[in-house]
Amino acid sequence: EAQVTQNPRYLITVTGKKLTVTCSQNMNHEYMSWYRQDPGLGLRQIYYSMNVEVTDKGDVPEGYKVSRKEKRNFPLILESPSPNQTSLYFCASGTQGAVEQYFGPGTRLTVT
Amino acid sequence: AQSVTQLGSHVSVSEGALVLLRCNYSSSVPPYLFWYVQYPNQGLQLLLKYTTGATLVKGINGFEAEFKKSETSFHLTKPSAHMSDAAEYFCAVRNWNTDKLIFGTGTRLQVFP
Repeated sequence: EAQVTQNPRYLITVTGKKLTVTCSQNMNHEYMSWYRQDPGLGLRQIYYSMNVEVTDKGDVPEGYKVSRKEKRNFPLILESPSPNQTSLYFCASGTQGAVEQYFGPGTRLTVT
Repeated sequence: AQSVTQLGSHVSVSEGALVLLRCNYSSSVPPYLFWYVQYPNQGLQLLLKYTTGATLVKGINGFEAEFKKSETSFHLTKPSAHMSDAAEYFCAVRNWNTDKLIFGTGTRLQVFP
C-alpha cells in the first residue's frame, strides 16, 4: 500500500531533550516536506526536500533540522525542543512538480 | 506572493442542507488549487484539485468546487450534507517554485441532525 508513515504518532517530552520524528514514504517520491499545524494558523511549512541531499527552509524553520540521506526517509530533528514547538506535525511527499502530495497521519508533540 | 483566505473558521449546517465553504486565493501566476479534509485525529486527505481545464472540479464524497478566476475564488460545495462530513477543511494553493502547499487557516464543518 502506497503510504507515508510517521513515528511516533504521539510524543510528550521536556524542554531541551533532543528528539527525532521519522518520516518514510514507499512511493519513490523525490519531494518531501514537513508542516506544522496550529489552531487558527492552518499548516505551515517547516522544511522541504526536492531530492536526496537537497533540503531547504520553509516558512518556519527555526528550531528544526532535517536530513535527506535516502530518498524514502526525511526525519525531522528538534535538537533542543521548547514549549512553542508543541504542535501537530505532518510529513508529506510527492513527485517533483506533481500536483498531488500525500500526507502522513501526523505526530502530536507536546513539549513541557 | 501566493496566499489563500478561508472565510469562516466554523460552519454549521443541518443534515441534508447545502454545504458551502469559501476560499479566495491570491496568485500572480495561474494557480493550482486544492481542498483537503482532515477528520478527527487523522491526517489530510485530498478532496479535489484544480490544475487546468474544466473549472468545475468534482471530488470524492460528493464534493465539488468551481474555479472562478474573475472572483479569485475556489469555493467548496456539496448539495446535501451528511453527518460523516463533519471535519476540518483546508484550501491550499501550490507554490510554483518550491512545490510548497500554502494553506488557509481551515474551516471546521459541523453537521447537525
